[in-house]
Amino acid sequence: QKEVEQNSGPLSVPEGAIASLNCTYSDRGSQSFFWYRQYSGKSPELIMFIYSNGDKEDGRFTAQLNKASQYVSLLIRDSQPSDSATYLCAVNTGFQKLVFGTGTRLLVSP
Amino acid sequence: EAGVTQFPSHSVIEKGQTVTLRCDPISGHDNLYWYRRVMGKEIKFLLHFVKESKQDESGMPNNRFLAERTGGTYSTLKVQPAELEDSGVYFCASSPGLAGGPSYNEQFFGPGTRLTVL
Repeated sequence: QKEVEQNSGPLSVPEGAIASLNCTYSDRGSQSFFWYRQYSGKSPELIMFIYSNGDKEDGRFTAQLNKASQYVSLLIRDSQPSDSATYLCAVNTGFQKLVFGTGTRLLVSP
Repeated sequence: EAGVTQFPSHSVIEKGQTVTLRCDPISGHDNLYWYRRVMGKEIKFLLHFVKESKQDESGMPNNRFLAERTGGTYSTLKVQPAELEDSGVYFCASSPGLAGGPSYNEQFFGPGTRLTVL
């Protein structure tokens, strides 16, 4: 079992829809959770981080964390074609290093 | 504020040669990390510096890899001798550390160095 699992996609949504990206992790001691966006050939760009159970909103993005279920998600409201990218879930298990999933490719069609 | 920079952006070398990658973290960031993404796989941790000290090098594949961070500023990652399986994209990231308050562990990534070993 991988430490951080994501569906590789692609996840296809029409412009204006809500995109829902999911991630599960295996280490119950994980403390913080990060979502990165990566355009092809570019560096991962930090979008959001979340430490506590519940929701955290920033603009069109909402991160959701459920530690009991070991599940973290990212919702993108009003999806735009410019949101098309690979979204990486990363988990910090307490030793500062990040453990990444393989990423979910999101395609937003005009 | 300048982001994390890496040099070179691409490197093509032959098996058995030596390559040195450089990373300049965001100014003032005590923490510096090296990660690697091999084709088709997830990004994997290599090691972590706090200032000039190696905090965690549990991800270093073998002793052909040597990382340094002299003076606690920029870092180099040397691969000697390079093997075919070392090909991939090497990312450097930095974070503020405890002085950064709640953002202490937000890691900002550089553009990466794409290494191809032939």
